[in-house]
Formats: sequence, structure tokens, C-alpha cells
Amino acid sequence: NAGVTQTPKFQVLKTGQSMTLQCAQDMNHNSMYWYRQDPGMGLRLIYYSASEGTTDKGEVPNGYNVSRLNKREFSLRLESAAPSQTSVYFCASTLGPGAGTAFFGQGTRLTVV
Amino acid sequence: AQTVTQSQPEMSVQEAETVTLSCTYDTSESDYYLFWYKQPPSRQMILVIRQEAYKQQNATENRFSVNFQKAAKSFSLKISDSQLGDAAMYFCAYRSLKYMEYGNKLVFGAGTILRVKS
Repeated sequence: NAGVTQTPKFQVLKTGQSMTLQCAQDMNHNSMYWYRQDPGMGLRLIYYSASEGTTDKGEVPNGYNVSRLNKREFSLRLESAAPSQTSVYFCASTLGPGAGTAFFGQGTRLTVV
Repeated sequence: AQTVTQSQPEMSVQEAETVTLSCTYDTSESDYYLFWYKQPPSRQMILVIRQEAYKQQNATENRFSVNFQKAAKSFSLKISDSQLGDAAMYFCAYRSLKYMEYGNKLVFGAGTILRVKS
């Protein structure tokens, strides 16, 4: 029972490089989310997908793009990484937009130098 | 917009004793969920306990219980018989039931680091 799986767990990028964070869930959830975690700020929403085929911006979307590849997979892309994107990234999923509990992936620690 | 405040950046507790972590929130909604998540050094976000706002009874999960005061918008977590494995960052989070902006995102507090002394 894998739940939500994120890859990679760690990544170091140089400023200007691009990369994609992958997320997959096997719980047949409809809604998926990408958050970033920064010290003293809790987790903030970057992008979300309320259901397959839809994506929308969250609170801090600048510098990111997403793709809801299918019901299981939701990827986050950094087109041109900046030091301000150094953070821990979490993917999460819920049964639906109004459903209660969110389940999280293991997180990705990204450092941009 | 909803906000969640955790006023204790750090707390310490002796093993086997009881500790309470505080959380207050601000919302104009009447139906919502409240959560406590635990984040150990492994980074994994682990659900500790969940409370539905329409339920008057406080949620309990083994050694973890909450004191939910809806009128005061307060949601504290009590950990009884603290164990070394309880040491972690604890996040309080809010989620509206009503579909609204940001797909009913979780709103997180800044977190409280809990240290357990042996």
C-alpha cells in the first residue's frame, strides 16, 4: 500500500536549470496538490488539481508549472530554477475537493545553488 | 481568508509526561475539518488526529487527544505518556468543507517543534 509516492527525495540544481518532480498516488483520489515548506511558514500551496483534466494556481505559483498526466500522476516542473525555490516540496492527495484527509508523499528536498 | 496560528515555536516534555500544543484559527465558515500532522526528521507528514467541526465530542487516538473549542476557535493537541518517538514538528491545519478557492487547500500553522527528554 504505497499511498503517495514522490521522486526524487533529494535534488541539487544550479540556477537556471530545469527539473520535474514526479508524484503518483494509488488511492484512486481525485484531487492532488503541490505544497512547498519553508521554515516558519508551514506549507503553502503552489498548484492543485481538483480532478483529472484540471489544474489551477495556488498561493505561490510563480516559477512553476504542473501537469495532471492522468488520475494517478501530478508533476511539478521548475523551468528555470532560482535560489528562492530552495525548499521542501510535498505532493498530497485527497478523495475529492471537499473530502477531509490529505495524504502526503515523502517530500523532496530541493537546493538551488 | 482562513488563518492558523501556532504560538509555541518549541515545546519540551519529559518522557512519560503530558504536553499540550496550542492552535488557534480564524474562519467565517461553520463546517470544516481540523487536523494535527506530525513531521519527524524523516520529513514524512503523518496524520495524528482529525476533528470535524460539526462534532461536539473531542477526537481521541490512543495517547493523542484534542480540546476543540469551536466558539473560541481553538484546537489544542494533548499528548499523554510522551515517548521519545513523539519528538517531531507538529502542524495544525484547517480545511473547509465548502468548495472554494484553491480546491479546499489545507491551511497550515507555522508548526511547533516538540522535544522529548529522557
